[in-house]
Amino acid sequence: NAGVTQTPKFRVLKTGQSMTLLCAQDMNHEYMYWYRQDPGMGLRLIHYSVGEGTTAKGEVPDGYNVSRLKKQNFLLGLESAAPSQTSVYFCASSYDQGGRPQHFGDGTRLSIL
Amino acid sequence: SQQGEEDPQALSIQEGENATMNCSYKTSINNLQWYRQNSGRGLVHLILIRSNEREKHSGRLRVTLDTSKKSSSLLITASRAADTASYFCATDGGSARQLTFGSGTQLTVLP
Repeated sequence: NAGVTQTPKFRVLKTGQSMTLLCAQDMNHEYMYWYRQDPGMGLRLIHYSVGEGTTAKGEVPDGYNVSRLKKQNFLLGLESAAPSQTSVYFCASSYDQGGRPQHFGDGTRLSIL
Repeated sequence: SQQGEEDPQALSIQEGENATMNCSYKTSINNLQWYRQNSGRGLVHLILIRSNEREKHSGRLRVTLDTSKKSSSLLITASRAADTASYFCATDGGSARQLTFGSGTQLTVLP
């Protein structure tokens, strides 16, 4: 039982490049989330999904896109990476949105040069 | 915007001592959760307290909630070196039911 798995764990990009971060969960959770964590700050919600085929914007959605084609996977895309997107990205999932605890992956450390 | 703000930002104690962290928030909530984050890892859920509860225990953890003061505290008793981590409060409030995280307290437990 792996829980929430994020790939890759580390990545360095040049400004303007694109990439996709993958999140997979094996707990049959309906809800999935993408956060970013910057030094000295808590997590900020980028996008989230309330079920297969659905996505919604969070607090800081600009510059990111997401897709939830399969219930177990939630992809985060950067179309044209910018240095301001250097951060640690966390994916999480929960059974529902009714205040249930969220289960987190171990993060993707992304540097944009 | 960050709903929860933890205090202190950093805390250093000796093994065996108790550690208390506080969280203040701004708007009404459905529940408040505490998470732990070890260095280089993801967040791990510790405990959830609902808005109609005042105190909750889980092992060495004790959480209190005062909705009139919009504040919560996390007490870790008899701390261990393995408790060294960052601790975050997260509030669940409003119709969107999204979690909003505070900036965290870095706890260091010295052996």
